[in-house]
Amino acid sequence: DTGVSQDPRHKITKRGQNVTFRCDPISEHNRLYWYRQTLGQGPEFLTYFQNEAQLEKSRLLSDRFSAERPKGSFSTLEIQRTEQGDSAMYLCASSFRTELNEKLFFGSGTQLSVL
Amino acid sequence: KQEVTQIPAALSVPEGENLVLNCSFTDSAIYNLQWFRQDPGKGLTSLLLIQSSQREQTSGRLNASLDKSSGRSTLYIAASQPGDSATYLCAVRGYNQFYFGTGTSLTVIP
Repeated sequence: DTGVSQDPRHKITKRGQNVTFRCDPISEHNRLYWYRQTLGQGPEFLTYFQNEAQLEKSRLLSDRFSAERPKGSFSTLEIQRTEQGDSAMYLCASSFRTELNEKLFFGSGTQLSVL
Repeated sequence: KQEVTQIPAALSVPEGENLVLNCSFTDSAIYNLQWFRQDPGKGLTSLLLIQSSQREQTSGRLNASLDKSSGRSTLYIAASQPGDSATYLCAVRGYNQFYFGTGTSLTVIP
């Protein structure tokens, strides 16, 4: 169990550029979540996958955000035409969900700064 | 929609003191509740998970309790140490999502 890995750890970009983040979950986990966190706030739900299927996407998420999880393995989160308001920590979490039990494991996050 | 509140937002205690962090939620229909620790600029580290049918979970100096009917959980930290300084967040699991509080920032003064 190597834990949840996220890459890169930090990303600085200029407004209007596209960025892509990667998350490698714990291998046997069937669920993968993306969250966004700003200073002093709790993680805000963005989207989640059950295996390779994207089952829910936050209504707060604009069309500039897209996520994929090909073959139910790693996941990518892309932000197109970045805005300064996108600056935040982007967190990935994975879990093995059963009907009664689900425990989240987080990666170290990707800190995005949009200049 | 589930709302999760953590009070106080910040807490400062001298080393060795026992302390309690609070988490309250509005919808008692939860599957479980998880407590996390977050160090500055890092991800969240799981501390304890309590199933909805449980009342308590313990790990070392940490004890978490759950009162589902009143929508409350507490995290008790015994004999606090400077290394316990971090932000502590609780998350409740609904049917398809986890809902997070905004956390309590703890500082333990040597």
